[in-house]
Amino acid sequence: SYVLTQPPSVSVAPGQTARITCGGNNIGSKSVHWYQQKPGQAPVMVVYDDRARPSGIPERFSGSNSGNTATLTISRVEAGDEADYYCQIWDSSSDHVAFGGGTKLTVL
Amino acid sequence: QVQLVQSGAEVKKSGASVKVSCKASGYTFIDYYMHWVRQAPGEGLEWMGWISPTSGGTKYVQKFQGWVTMTRDTSISTAFLELSRLTSDDTAVYYCARALSGDLGDYFDHWGQGTLVTVSS
Repeated sequence: SYVLTQPPSVSVAPGQTARITCGGNNIGSKSVHWYQQKPGQAPVMVVYDDRARPSGIPERFSGSNSGNTATLTISRVEAGDEADYYCQIWDSSSDHVAFGGGTKLTVL
Repeated sequence: QVQLVQSGAEVKKSGASVKVSCKASGYTFIDYYMHWVRQAPGEGLEWMGWISPTSGGTKYVQKFQGWVTMTRDTSISTAFLELSRLTSDDTAVYYCARALSGDLGDYFDHWGQGTLVTVSS
């Protein structure tokens, strides 16, 4: 099965830029989607198809995907961005959904 | 607006079965596949499989085959997840998620609020 690798944690000061990576074999050939999950809540999609933003998601959230790494970038980080973030792809070879292990974003 | 409302928390004994429901509203139920994802306490998201609301066809992750059943009732716009032969390893929050289909596979634009299933011995 396809493995997606995320750092367990990322810390950033308010107002700075957070970058959360998602590594996978030739992930640049796949569409990557990102979800934010706050404690006790269901996940919320924040980026889809590598870089598109659903309505209602601030422009501070952006994505990129190339080679073996996809990245979720959160600019001008706010305290309210503190959450777990998961990347997700569709693995066509297995016809399965795969999630990364998740990254806990801490706002210092 | 799109809503997925799941049934309430359950406490079950090992070896029992449980059925979780996910009622959809705000869109045409048969137009979107429904997926199920679970999350054990303190752990990440684990994809379980999907159900086609039109045909009732299903796909399960291999580890869930034989003891997980996904069904739907289109007359009430509701998807169901049934787990049998529960063990403590099945203690988790179970989410339904509506899938959008992109050129390179599905992703999830709306999620249910989650249903906590606790399995005790």
